[in-house]
Amino acid sequence: DADVTQTPRNRITKTGKRIMLECSQTKGHDRMYWYRQDPGLGLRLIYYSFDVKDINKGEISDGYSVSRQAQAKFSLSLESAIPNQTALYFCATSAGTSGGEVNEQFFGPGTRLTVL
Amino acid sequence: KQEVTQIPAALSVPEGENLVLNCSFTDSAIYNLQWFRQDPGKGLTSLLLIQSSQREQTSGRLNASLDKSSGRSTLYIAASQPGDSATYLCAVKPGGFKTIFGAGTRLFVKA
Repeated sequence: DADVTQTPRNRITKTGKRIMLECSQTKGHDRMYWYRQDPGLGLRLIYYSFDVKDINKGEISDGYSVSRQAQAKFSLSLESAIPNQTALYFCATSAGTSGGEVNEQFFGPGTRLTVL
Repeated sequence: KQEVTQIPAALSVPEGENLVLNCSFTDSAIYNLQWFRQDPGKGLTSLLLIQSSQREQTSGRLNASLDKSSGRSTLYIAASQPGDSATYLCAVKPGGFKTIFGAGTRLFVKA
């Protein structure tokens, strides 16, 4: 079984709808991340969480919110989806280090979201 | 602001050829650099992680080098195979908790 799973894998929705993307991990990592990938661009960080009580905005958090329900679960919500949120969304995890550095990241398979 | 560039954006080579993928970054103050492989529908797979104190890492037919002073990393793939066809992403970790990704190089290995 995959260490990092995402549901759904594909989703088509309409402008204005609320959408939730879910991520679960079995790696036992404290740190979880949500990224989006657009064609021709690198992955960009939306939100990250270092533990259940710690959630931080990334570089493109506008229009998104997150919930860390448990160490293993991190959900991304689009409260009112718009077409420019059409993208490939990835969840990732990493173990924490005493120095606070981000070490190796492990990614889920991605969710392809289309907003019409 | 840290920026990561990967050139070329796409590359097509015949099977068996040795090849080099390039990654450049604008700020040499990084903690580590990571190379990923991205396959359609399968997310990103970590290939190699090079800490800032290291010059290279090797795994099987893959070798990644890091030259912080020049802001460059290369991923060398020996004896390429059709199964190596994928998009290869380079990512650097500057200070703080962010990771900055390049846009990737799409590799196609022809049988």
